[in-house]
Formats: sequence, structure tokens, C-alpha cells
Amino acid sequence: NAGVTQTPKFQVLKTGQSMTLQCAQDMNHEYMSWYRQDPGMGLRLIHYSVGAGITDQGEVPNGYNVSRSTTEDFPLRLLSAAPSQTSVYFCASQPPGSPFSEQYFGPGTRLTVT
Amino acid sequence: AQSVTQLGSHVSVSEGALVLLRCNYSSSVPPYLFWYVQYPNQGLQLLLKYTTGATLVKGINGFEAEFKKSETSFHLTKPSAHMSDAAEYFCAVSEGSNYKLTFGKGTLLTVNP
Repeated sequence: NAGVTQTPKFQVLKTGQSMTLQCAQDMNHEYMSWYRQDPGMGLRLIHYSVGAGITDQGEVPNGYNVSRSTTEDFPLRLLSAAPSQTSVYFCASQPPGSPFSEQYFGPGTRLTVT
Repeated sequence: AQSVTQLGSHVSVSEGALVLLRCNYSSSVPPYLFWYVQYPNQGLQLLLKYTTGATLVKGINGFEAEFKKSETSFHLTKPSAHMSDAAEYFCAVSEGSNYKLTFGKGTLLTVNP
């Protein structure tokens, strides 16, 4: 079991460039989510998905798109990167049918936008 | 709407001293409460959680937390700090129905020799 994997680990973008942060899990978890972590702000929910084909917005969705075509994958797209999107991004997944079970986090992607 | 307040963005203790990290929550329904730990340059991992039942919850690495409904608190404690406890700690709340976790801003724990 690889758990939750994220690629890349580090990325530098120029303002206006686009990119996709990849997230995959091999635990057959239905629920997946994306957070961003900024100093002194904790983790803030960007988007989440309760299953393939179903996504919804979290607390800070602007500037980000997601899709969920399979149970395993939940990519996060930045369409036109801005310096305000410099952050550490974490993907997480959670087992089905259990809202109070733990979320499993990936190792994170550190993104810098110049 | 649910929210979490962690009192103290940075707590410093001596090795062997009591660790107390404070968390207060707001929730419109009975909450599920969690403490996660993040070691440097890593993702988060679960320390412990409260769902229902016993209000004193024991977690990994000797940590425990007590759910106090009247005080809307879920403070994290450990009787004796170890150098390896140095990390950032996050309290989180879920109202359960929608899987969404709301995190506090985190408390950085420093352990001095």
C-alpha cells in the first residue's frame, strides 16, 4: 500500500503559467480533498470529492479546478498561477461510510509562483 | 458553521515537562474532534480523535485529550515531553455529515533540552 501519493514534491512556476498537481491513493477511499497550508493559517480546504464524478468547493476554491474521473485520482489544476498561490498543497483521502474516521495525508507539494 | 481556535501559535517546554496545547471549537451539532501532528517537511498524521463515548481519549506517543462540552474545548496533553515531540500540532473539527474538516491555525511545539 503506497497510501496517498503526490507529485511533484516541488514546483516553481511563473505568473500566468498553468499546471496540475497530481494526487493518487490506492486504498479505495471515496472521499478525497485538497488543502493548502500557509504559515499561521493552518490548513484550508480548497476542493473535495465524495466519489468519482462528484466534486465540490471548499473554503478557498478560487483559481483552482478539480475533477474526479476515477476513485484513485484527484488532480488539482491551476489555470493561471498567481503569487498568492505560493503554498504547500496537501491531498488527503478518507475511507467510505465513516465521516469520523481519520484522513490520510500525502507528503505535500511545495509550490512557488514568481 | 464549524470553527476551531488554537490558543498559542508557539509553545515551548523543557524536556520532561507537561505539554498542554489548547483547542476550543464551535459547532452547531455534536462534533467529531481530532488532533493531527505534522513533523518538519511531512504530511499530517492522526494523533487521536473523539467521536462519541468516553470523553478522555488516548492517542499515540503518550498524548491524550479530554472533550469538555460545557467548555467547548479539546485540549491536548502529555505528562512528560520528549525531544521527538517537537512538531506542529493541529486541532480539527468535523460535523460528520459531510466529511469536511476545519483545522485550527496550528501550534508549534518546541522542546528544549
